[in-house]
Amino acid sequence: DTEVTQTPKHLVMGMTNKKSLKCEQHMGHRAMYWYKQKAKKPPELMFVYSYEKLSINESVPSRFSPECPNSSLLNLHLHALQPEDSALYLCASSQDGAVGGPNSPLHFGNGTRLTVT
Amino acid sequence: KQEVTQIPAALSVPEGENLVLNCSFTDSAIYNLQWFRQDPGKGLTSLLLIQSSQREQTSGRLNASLDKSSGRSTLYIAASQPGDSATYLCAVDARSGGGADGLTFGKGTHLIIQP
Repeated sequence: DTEVTQTPKHLVMGMTNKKSLKCEQHMGHRAMYWYKQKAKKPPELMFVYSYEKLSINESVPSRFSPECPNSSLLNLHLHALQPEDSALYLCASSQDGAVGGPNSPLHFGNGTRLTVT
Repeated sequence: KQEVTQIPAALSVPEGENLVLNCSFTDSAIYNLQWFRQDPGKGLTSLLLIQSSQREQTSGRLNASLDKSSGRSTLYIAASQPGDSATYLCAVDARSGGGADGLTFGKGTHLIIQP
């Protein structure tokens, strides 16, 4: 069992829908991440929320928007997605963040398998 | 831009063999290097983290080494078991200080251990 919980496990949505992916951790970690992983490819970083500061991968389109309601929750809001956005979306957390001391391992959730029709 | 390469892309060996997975990275200015395991359709499980000042880390049958100056790391798996079958990913943490900082992953080595 993973200590990072992602819901839902699977999501099918149309291109006009609005949906949200949720991620939760109760390890007291100060940094949380969203990664996108296409089939047979490595994960690609989308967003980092570290010490209440959001950092964005500039290549991520605006139809993806993260939200961090508190230090243990990280949501990813989806709007007007395209079929090419279908992928496994992985959430991760680490004890320290992108700013400040490094050297703590990332803990990943099992992901949300997203299909855009 | 940091690039991470893993060799081989796929490997199939009989149970019980010792094996080595290779990882190389282009920019030696890293904070740490992590090895992950990913089972099909699942998230990633952190196996070992080597800090930039360290040379190796061990956990059970796994040993990871780091030669930062040459941009290389190896993951050694002793006495392989069918349960070790998975994709193994190498990732380096080389924070640029700008934009989104996180790990840069290799494409992984798909490992199959034959019973």
